[in-house]
Amino acid sequence: QSVLTQPPSASGTPGQRVTISCSGSSSNVGRNTVYWFQQFPGTAPKLLIYRDDQRPSGVPGRFSGSKSGTSASLAISGLQSEDEGDYYCATWADTLNGWVFGGGTKLTVL
Amino acid sequence: QVQLVQSGAEVKQPGASVRVSCKASGYTFTDYYVHWVRQAPGQGLEWMGWINPNSGGTNHAQKFRGRVTMTGDTSMTTVYMELSSLRFDDTAIYYCARRGYDFWGQGTLVSVSS
Repeated sequence: QSVLTQPPSASGTPGQRVTISCSGSSSNVGRNTVYWFQQFPGTAPKLLIYRDDQRPSGVPGRFSGSKSGTSASLAISGLQSEDEGDYYCATWADTLNGWVFGGGTKLTVL
Repeated sequence: QVQLVQSGAEVKQPGASVRVSCKASGYTFTDYYVHWVRQAPGQGLEWMGWINPNSGGTNHAQKFRGRVTMTGDTSMTTVYMELSSLRFDDTAIYYCARRGYDFWGQGTLVSVSS
């Protein structure tokens, strides 16, 4: 059972906008910045969003992050087939004195 | 360019220890903590801890305290993660990642099998 709650799956058709949620608490998401990662089978995770809404260089503008209270969201607009993969959120958890990850969301492009 | 290159796959028996290395290049090694994250087959990501290569200071997830040791060698720009008393459920891919999670190693598969 992950400290951060993500839907196990999400889906959309090409061109659509999809969002993936990450729900936490006041001691983690509510107080600390959220990171988002994309992972394809057999490869290491890739940083998509850091500090809630910042994109590393090279990450397309189709990916955006936001946060409100104890929940964060990753939005993918103009969905493409190559976006199909697993997505994870993560943040620092004060009460655990460590980082925690969400359980992951498997995104399917229909 | 920044690179984190990890050691190769390992097969260990239950009760044994394993040491995974992560060699950094392309940046000032002592300026960035290094995280260790693992992923069991078909499962999600799990943070294990971090090491400050400058001071050698570490912080481990409660779950691994007493079993994990993280060390660094500044002359080799390499960090190491040793996990002892291996159990079957320690079978996973182990990743190192630079502070900020902007660069990751390729992963090291550790299989625990009798």
